[in-house]
Amino acid sequence: GQQLNQSPQSMFIQEGEDVSMNCTSSSIFNTWLWYKQDPGEGPVLLIALYKAGELTSNGRLTAQFGITRKDSFLNISASIPSDVGIYFCAGPTYGGATNKLIFGTGTLLAVQP
Amino acid sequence: KAGVTQTPRYLIKTRGQQVTLSCSPISGHRSVSWYQQTPGQGLQFLFEYFSETQRNKGNFPGRFSGRQFSNSRSEMNVSTLELGDSALYLCASSLFLADYGYTFGSGTRLTVV
Repeated sequence: GQQLNQSPQSMFIQEGEDVSMNCTSSSIFNTWLWYKQDPGEGPVLLIALYKAGELTSNGRLTAQFGITRKDSFLNISASIPSDVGIYFCAGPTYGGATNKLIFGTGTLLAVQP
Repeated sequence: KAGVTQTPRYLIKTRGQQVTLSCSPISGHRSVSWYQQTPGQGLQFLFEYFSETQRNKGNFPGRFSGRQFSNSRSEMNVSTLELGDSALYLCASSLFLADYGYTFGSGTRLTVV
């Protein structure tokens, strides 16, 4: 089945550093979503991308929809301790009665104050 | 406005038992989706309900079932529990069917012993 591979798997950075992570797929997606999950909580939607090449920002977060439609990137600028969590990319797949959202493998971000 | 509410937050069950988890969506949201999250498999789609009907289904055995009530509240049931069913079960609500601008609940942590 379709898979979304995220890299890196984990990142340990100092407060104030910029962060980049990406998500790749063997299949084309028409929508890319980025979620953040805090420990003990459900994922929270950060950014949604709907068009190839689109670049969208949400505060210190910037995400891009890859031109091939098989990848997406998330950047966090000037990281702060509350950025700690797991970041997931996700994309919807459609197929009869199996429309669903597929999630990536996740990138764990740890920020050292 | 109130978010997605899942009850209970934590549950411990014995192998072979059955369990029912509850999800109250955001007021006005008519679609409820369920996901299983485990360290090994990540976030996996279980099913989506809309207008009291299961509209989409993931690749899980028949022991996993659900339903949705007229007020959009949803329950999922797992029968004949296995150790491998231990997971965080997440419910997500959205306005429309296959609308992936999900709002997730905090999840129910199920441990099967």
